[in-house]
Amino acid sequence: AQRVTQPEKLLSVFKGAPVELKCNYSYSGSPELFWYVQYSRQRLQLLLRHISRESIKGFTADLNKGETSFHLKKPFAQEEDSAMYYCALSGGGTSYGKLTFGQGTILTVHP
Amino acid sequence: EAGVVQSPRYKIIEKKQPVAFWCNPISGHNTLYWYRQNLGQGPELLIRYENEEAVDDSQLPKDRFSAERLKGVDSTLKIQPAELGDSAVYLCASSWDWGAGYTEAFFGQGTRLTVV
Repeated sequence: AQRVTQPEKLLSVFKGAPVELKCNYSYSGSPELFWYVQYSRQRLQLLLRHISRESIKGFTADLNKGETSFHLKKPFAQEEDSAMYYCALSGGGTSYGKLTFGQGTILTVHP
Repeated sequence: EAGVVQSPRYKIIEKKQPVAFWCNPISGHNTLYWYRQNLGQGPELLIRYENEEAVDDSQLPKDRFSAERLKGVDSTLKIQPAELGDSAVYLCASSWDWGAGYTEAFFGQGTRLTVV
C-alpha cells in the first residue's frame, strides 16, 4: 500500500522567513513524488516533481529514501506563496498511474 | 486552452436522489481520473481510465457509483442513490500517458456536491 503523511495541517510564517513543508511516505518500491499546490479559488496544479530536480517559484524538494521523506523548502517565503500544498506519490506495478495525496498543509505567509 | 472542464460547479441534492457529474479532459489526453476530496482531506482516486478502459476502479463504491468514458474522451460519474456521506468535491483530471510512467495530471475546478 502507498501512503503519504503531511504532519502539519497549518503552517504560518512571516514574509522573508524560510519555510519547510513536511512530507513522509510509505511505499515498498521506488515511488515518484510530487508537490501539488492550490491557490485560493484556483484549481489544483503541479508545483514540482522529484525526478525533475527543478526549483519552481523558489521551491525545492529532495527525495530522501532513507527517511522516506520529500520535504518542500523555500529559503525566503513570499505572501503569494500562501496556498494549500499537497504532497503526492505515484507508485509502480499495480499502483501505476495511481496518485496518492497527503492531507495537505495550509501555508500562510504574513506580511 | 480551457483546460479540464467540469460541470456543474455546484450541486445540492436530497439524499436518495441521483446525481451526475461531467468532465471534458484536455484534448489529446488519453488518461482520465476521477477523485473525491472530502473536507480537510487530500483527493482520493475513485477511478482511472486509459482511453475508454477503466484500468483502476478499486476505490469506486460500485454499489452506488458508476462511471463511463465513451469514445475515450468525455466522462460521466454518477451516484445513485446519493447518501449524506457523499458530500464532497469531485475532481476530474487528465494526463497524457505514453507508458513511460506517471505524467503530470491537470485538474478541473471540481464539482462541490452537498447532499441534504
